[in-house]
Amino acid sequence: QSVLTQPPSVSGAPGQRVTISCTGSSSNIGAGSDVNWYQQLPGTAPKVLIYGNTNRPSGVPDRFSGSTSGTSASLAITGLQAEDEADYFCQSCDSSLSARNYVFGTGTKVIVL
Amino acid sequence: QVQLVESGGGVVQPGRSLRLSCAASRFTFSAYAMHWVRQAPGKGLEWVALIWFDGSKRYYADSVKGRFTISRDNSKNTLFLEMNSLRVDDTAVYYCARESLKIAPGDLDYWGQGTLVTVS
Repeated sequence: QSVLTQPPSVSGAPGQRVTISCTGSSSNIGAGSDVNWYQQLPGTAPKVLIYGNTNRPSGVPDRFSGSTSGTSASLAITGLQAEDEADYFCQSCDSSLSARNYVFGTGTKVIVL
Repeated sequence: QVQLVESGGGVVQPGRSLRLSCAASRFTFSAYAMHWVRQAPGKGLEWVALIWFDGSKRYYADSVKGRFTISRDNSKNTLFLEMNSLRVDDTAVYYCARESLKIAPGDLDYWGQGTLVTVS
């Protein structure tokens, strides 16, 4: 099954902007399947950060934003804060008439310098 | 607040079976599709299986197809994962997660705390 490719880590100083890329294929992101983003703090379950490519659930700061283009997606974090140090995963769906397979990205660790 | 509580994890020998449960509360369980997602120690997330709100459709990752079975009991608000022919590489924290209704296919908007399965 497909997997979405992310950089292993990105880093930035407090207050800076960082972006995380998520590269898929024509069977998922490129086919128009929505991308969702999750944040996983150490020792906890993942939490949805962005759904439907660009939407933030209530309670998620507007410092987090998502976008898509072609077969890729991106998560941007502006005004980086120490509490943003976590693992981030993108997720999409390989859909066909006979199957619906969710796929996750390889994960990116955000390091706040 | 939505609550999902997994149980049933533990240490099991290769080739044996294990059944995980996920007790759901504080939402209308029978209205939502549910997933199992796993995370091997120090690794990323891997989607395992999906069952529709009424149990009419089930989908599996290739890595577990034919060995794992997802099911649900809507009268008891409980999700299950029957795992057979377990392998060492099935070792992971297993999370149950709810699929949201905001979009389709939906994001996983609530997750349990996870239960650790160790195959050794």
